[in-house]
Amino acid sequence: EDQVTQSPEALRLQEGESSSLNCSYTVSGLRGLFWYRQDPGKGPEFLFTLYSAGEEKEKERLKATLTKKESFLHITAPKPEDSATYLCAVQAGQAGTALIFGKGTTLSVSS
Amino acid sequence: DAGVTQSPTHLIKTRGQHVTLRCSPISGHKSVSWYQQVLGQGPQFIFQYYEKEERGRGNFPDRFSARQFPNYSSELNVNALLLGDSALYLCASSLGQGRGGYTFGSGTRLTVV
Repeated sequence: EDQVTQSPEALRLQEGESSSLNCSYTVSGLRGLFWYRQDPGKGPEFLFTLYSAGEEKEKERLKATLTKKESFLHITAPKPEDSATYLCAVQAGQAGTALIFGKGTTLSVSS
Repeated sequence: DAGVTQSPTHLIKTRGQHVTLRCSPISGHKSVSWYQQVLGQGPQFIFQYYEKEERGRGNFPDRFSARQFPNYSSELNVNALLLGDSALYLCASSLGQGRGGYTFGSGTRLTVV
């Protein structure tokens, strides 16, 4: 069964304190791995899509990387406005085009 | 350009009632997917429609149904509502079956009392 696990569930950082969020996956035939940001009561906002091991993408203070078993979302010098829940999802195998989401990591950045 | 539009934004229903949620995709997008997100969990796939045909169905009971119209907008219907159906219902649109990624709407918050 295709599965996505995110860790940690919650992360508290001081402004400027860099860290990484983890997304490990067990799927048959990865077609794509997606990172989304979700603010409370809102829909997920697209950040990145990664397709193959070794791929990396960057946007402002965020950098996503992908291996054959996991993906990392690196946050460099975070600011309070980066506080949100970060969701990882995969599109794979028998699931066709459906996204399989992890439970998310809730990030809180304090000034 | 308008993003994915969902209506209503909030809804309160009584157990046993029926509800219809609506979604308008981004202009040019032909695929619409529906997800249910319970508080504290990631979204869970319900349906995908492409070119007005059902292309995927998640593990949800037959009380859940959907359709896509010629203008690519979509409706999600839920019959015989249960307390456990309380959730944020998200609509996502894409060019075609995931091509180009998925853009989500802000969702409809359904509360069943």
